[in-house]
Amino acid sequence: DGGITQSPKYLFRKEGQNVTLSCEQNLNHDAMYWYRQDPGQGLRLIYYSQIVNDFQKGDIAEGYSVSREKKESFPLTVTSAQKNPTAFYLCASSPNQGYGYTFGSGTRLTVV
Amino acid sequence: GQSLEQPSEVTAVEGAIVQINCTYQTSGFYGLSWYQQHDGGAPTFLSYNALDGLEETGRFSSFLSRSDSYGYLLLQELQMKDSASYFCAPLGTGRRALTFGSGTRLQVQP
Repeated sequence: DGGITQSPKYLFRKEGQNVTLSCEQNLNHDAMYWYRQDPGQGLRLIYYSQIVNDFQKGDIAEGYSVSREKKESFPLTVTSAQKNPTAFYLCASSPNQGYGYTFGSGTRLTVV
Repeated sequence: GQSLEQPSEVTAVEGAIVQINCTYQTSGFYGLSWYQQHDGGAPTFLSYNALDGLEETGRFSSFLSRSDSYGYLLLQELQMKDSASYFCAPLGTGRRALTFGSGTRLQVQP
């Protein structure tokens, strides 16, 4: 079955560390997205990519970085520059001419 | 840019009908989509309106008025499992949903 896989499900980061969240999809979707969700809040766009080797900043890109070397993969790195990284991170994908996003099951990141 | 307004909470009883409203401002509007998210889970796509009018999918319907920058999600024959957060997401330039807003938390009571 096609879908999006995010790993790990839970991640703990020490102060000053960089961590990378994985997102892989086998839906053959062109576009991929990273969102951040804080408790009781909506989703805010961090980065998105519409084609391989190209990506754009969303509303809250500071302290994050991404790469899109393969169509299937869109990893997100939370750098030490992100001052408040504890949140639920969701990866999504969609066909470029489509409108429905498919989401992964999310990664819950906690700074310890 | 984008802005969204949804009620923060709605409470209804099993079997009832509930309407969740959404007003938006976005550039390059392509349509309005709706998602459901249970606590701790990922959002799942419910419906999409590109044109004015009502779209029906089983117990769920969604309505759009582009001239009013307004839409709503209608849930009929409410069930306990419908207790979740519901987000509207306007698709803007490039068919991108830049924000899903804070969502509406629906509590279905017996």
